[in-house]
Amino acid sequence: GAGVSQTPSNKVTEKGKYVELRCDPISGHTALYWYRQSLGQGPEFLIYFQGTGAADDSGLPNDRFFAVRPEGSVSTLKIQRTERGDSAVYLCASSWGQEETQYFGPGTRLLVL
Amino acid sequence: GQNIDQPTEMTATEGAIVQINCTYQTSGFNGLFWYQQHAGEAPTFLSYNVLDGLEEKGRFSSFLSRSKGYSYLLLKELQMKDSASYLCAVPHSGNTPLVFGKGTRLSVIA
Repeated sequence: GAGVSQTPSNKVTEKGKYVELRCDPISGHTALYWYRQSLGQGPEFLIYFQGTGAADDSGLPNDRFFAVRPEGSVSTLKIQRTERGDSAVYLCASSWGQEETQYFGPGTRLLVL
Repeated sequence: GQNIDQPTEMTATEGAIVQINCTYQTSGFNGLFWYQQHAGEAPTFLSYNVLDGLEEKGRFSSFLSRSKGYSYLLLKELQMKDSASYLCAVPHSGNTPLVFGKGTRLSVIA
């Protein structure tokens, strides 16, 4: 496909479980971003990759959250010991590089029971 | 840091014009973005302003005043499909992750 894709589209899990959310950026985009959006709010930045390395992870709320992008394309956001407060839509975006327009995927709706 | 303020909700009539305002405070300015987000969907890019003035793109226009820390999105000839949230965003301290406002939820009524 031509756009950013994310899987799964929906994820329901129990408190304390581990989840992985996947993002496939637009082919050729070197920059990849993760955001989290709660109901009625704008997206909040979590982490940003330039290539394989995390250029800025200052938005990760705590050490339960981790993200990787081992080959500079697909990225996985990992959440350990999930809490009910982690319930949100997790959005991924990609761009050609720094200071370029970001294009968003459809998001993964995470519900922690 | 960044602070972005925009109205929470607006209502306008089909065929009319609506202006959605955004004020921002930022430690360094590297442009301002507007995104449209329909309920349950991803944000889609509308416009990017880095210089003062009005940028027109079809029915949508975006204005920026850097000295006033102010932008607006102008939607003309409103259609029902324009009912969505409109998000104002600025890059974070010169780096590229975006800081978003809470969004303005626009309802277009007949």
